Amino acid sequence: NAGVTQTPKFRILKIGQSMTLQCTQDMNHNYMYWYRQDPGMGLKLIYYSVGAGITDKGEVPNGYNVSRSTTEDFPLRLELAAPSQTSVYFCASSETGGNTGELFFGEGSRLTVL
Amino acid sequence: AQSVSQHNHHVILSEAASLELGCNYSYGGTVNLFWYVQYPGQHLQLLLKYFSGDPLVKGIKGFEAEFIKSKFSFNLRKPSVQWSDTAEYFCAVLNTGGFKTIFGAGTRLFVKA
Repeated sequence: NAGVTQTPKFRILKIGQSMTLQCTQDMNHNYMYWYRQDPGMGLKLIYYSVGAGITDKGEVPNGYNVSRSTTEDFPLRLELAAPSQTSVYFCASSETGGNTGELFFGEGSRLTVL
Repeated sequence: AQSVSQHNHHVILSEAASLELGCNYSYGGTVNLFWYVQYPGQHLQLLLKYFSGDPLVKGIKGFEAEFIKSKFSFNLRKPSVQWSDTAEYFCAVLNTGGFKTIFGAGTRLFVKA
């Protein structure tokens, strides 16, 4: 089982460029999330989705956009990249039913904006 | 707003020492509590979780955590650490019925061989 797959693993962007971080999961989870991880700050929730066609903002949504056209995919779009978006990004998913809430994470995408 | 506080950002221990990492959360309702671990170069994975019942929960690799509702705490413990426990540990809270898991800032543990 692949679980949660993120691409790319590493990327360097120039200020003002845009890009999309891809995330796909094969566990048929309805809930999907994007977090960013900064040293000493833990994980901050950017956006989340409770099902196809439904997305909502997390703690730090500014400068990002998401879409959820299928259950499997939850891409994160960065428009007009800024140095403050240099971070490690994690996609995660969790199952519905039973309200377990356990998150399954991808391996992360390290983004540097110069 | 909901928040999670981890008491120590960096901990250095020798092998066989005992470990306790503190975690407090602020939320008045019913919560699900988690500890996640991130080994060097790897993604986060679940160490243990508490939903209900016995407040002392056991996880993988000999870790356990105790939920003390009156103190809003969920401290992680291990009686004897190993070099392979070197990792970053994150406490996380999900309000029951909610969608958003909130993480603490993390504690970096380094175990000296």
